[in-house]
Amino acid sequence: GDSVTQTEGLVTLTEGLPVMLNCTYQSTYSPFLFWYVQHLNEAPKLLLKSFTDNKRPEHQGFHATLHKSSSSFHLQKSSAQLSDSALYYCALRPGGSNAKLTFGKGTKLSVKS
Amino acid sequence: GALVYQYPRRTICKSGTSMRMECQAVGFQATSVAWYRQSPQKTFELIALSTVNSAIKYEQNFTQEKFPISHPNLSFSSMTVLNAYLEDRGLYLCGARERGAYEQYFGPGTRLTVL
Repeated sequence: GDSVTQTEGLVTLTEGLPVMLNCTYQSTYSPFLFWYVQHLNEAPKLLLKSFTDNKRPEHQGFHATLHKSSSSFHLQKSSAQLSDSALYYCALRPGGSNAKLTFGKGTKLSVKS
Repeated sequence: GALVYQYPRRTICKSGTSMRMECQAVGFQATSVAWYRQSPQKTFELIALSTVNSAIKYEQNFTQEKFPISHPNLSFSSMTVLNAYLEDRGLYLCGARERGAYEQYFGPGTRLTVL
C-alpha cells in the first residue's frame, strides 16, 4: 500500500538558518505529493503541492521538488522564521484516484531566536 | 474563498455514549468528504471517504456501525461516533474536495474527549 515517511519528532532551529524536512514515499501509482502545515489549534493548510512537469512549487519561502527517482519530496526554506514554528505533514494522493490522502507522521518544527 | 467549518470544536462525552459532529463546506461544492482522526501521538488516520451519489468507503479498522456518516448534499456531511470509548479520543478532521479539483480543504476539527 501507499506510505509516507518523514523526519520524525521535533526539529529545532535558530531563526535565519535553513530548513529541510525530509519526505519519502512509496506508492503503486505515480502520486501527487503535498505538504500541509498545521499551527496550534488550527486546521491543516496546504503549503505546497507537486506538479507533474517537474516545476518546483514555492509558497511563503518554502519549496519542494518531486524526485521520482528517489521517491522524495523534501521541504526546504533558505531562512527559518519564528512564525514557521508548526507541525508539517507530508501526504500523497495516488494519481487518478479520489480524494484519499495518506499522511506521514508529521514533523514539529520549532524556530527559536 | 473555500472554507470548511466543523461543529462542535470541542466536545466531552461519557464512555459508552454517542457524539455527532458536523462538517460544512462554503464557497465550493464538496463532492467528496474524507473524515480523519488524529489520535494523541499519531498522524491522521482516514476513517472513511464519502462521495455524493456513491457508497461511503470505510478504511480497515473503521466501520459504518461505529462511525455512521451522512453526506446528503454538496455542502454538508456529518459523522457520529457511536458508543465512544477512551480509544476514540482525538481530533476528528473533515477534508472536502470538489470534483476535478486538486486541493482538499480541511476544517479546524472536532476534538473529542471521552470520560
